[in-house]
Amino acid sequence: GAVVSQHPSRVICKSGTSVKIECRSLDFQATTMFWYRQFPKQSLMLMATSNEGSKATYEQGVEKDKFLINHASLTLSTLTVTSAHPEDSSFYICSATGRGYQPQHFGDGTRLSIL
Amino acid sequence: GNSVTQMEGPVTLSEEAFLTINCTYTATGYPSLFWYVQYPGEGLQLLLKATKADDKGSNKGFEATYRKETTSFHLEKGSVQVSDSAVYFCALSDQGAGGTSYGKLTFGQGTILTVHP
Repeated sequence: GAVVSQHPSRVICKSGTSVKIECRSLDFQATTMFWYRQFPKQSLMLMATSNEGSKATYEQGVEKDKFLINHASLTLSTLTVTSAHPEDSSFYICSATGRGYQPQHFGDGTRLSIL
Repeated sequence: GNSVTQMEGPVTLSEEAFLTINCTYTATGYPSLFWYVQYPGEGLQLLLKATKADDKGSNKGFEATYRKETTSFHLEKGSVQVSDSAVYFCALSDQGAGGTSYGKLTFGQGTILTVHP
């Protein structure tokens, strides 16, 4: 089946640094990728939707200057958390879907911890 | 707007017990419905889906039927195993822009299932 790889799986860094998370579709062309944030024991909150070659569409309340999303190719999207602070600590999950009625396929998530 | 409501958890069962996790939805039009499963520390895996009324999705012994009259998509399994312990999410998607793909997903709050030997 469709495989989405997310990297890194875990990152710990100091407050003020920027962190980049990669999301790759390994065996299909991901025309659309989604980025979610999940708090402990809660559901997924959609942060943004990105279509290949276009600017990402952010959900209400998500700071686009804080969470930079790039989807430059049909197999790769990146989320950069800029000037991260402890309140940005969370579990970030990407998903990808291709052309036609394909369900979203999810990466394994990135546990981000800001000290 | 769209919304999904799942039964409150956590749900704790003994191995081989029958499982039902209720899911109801509110949506305009004709959404597609999904169940995803999340194992500890991992992302979500698609468990099953149904794209139109009366469709039954099934996988790994789990099944759910798209009931438009009751706006429900309850997840069932006849005999659970310890390995089924996970968080289960019900979700819906309407059509994406252009009408040629799924749109974004709306998730329920998730139901934690724990199965004891």
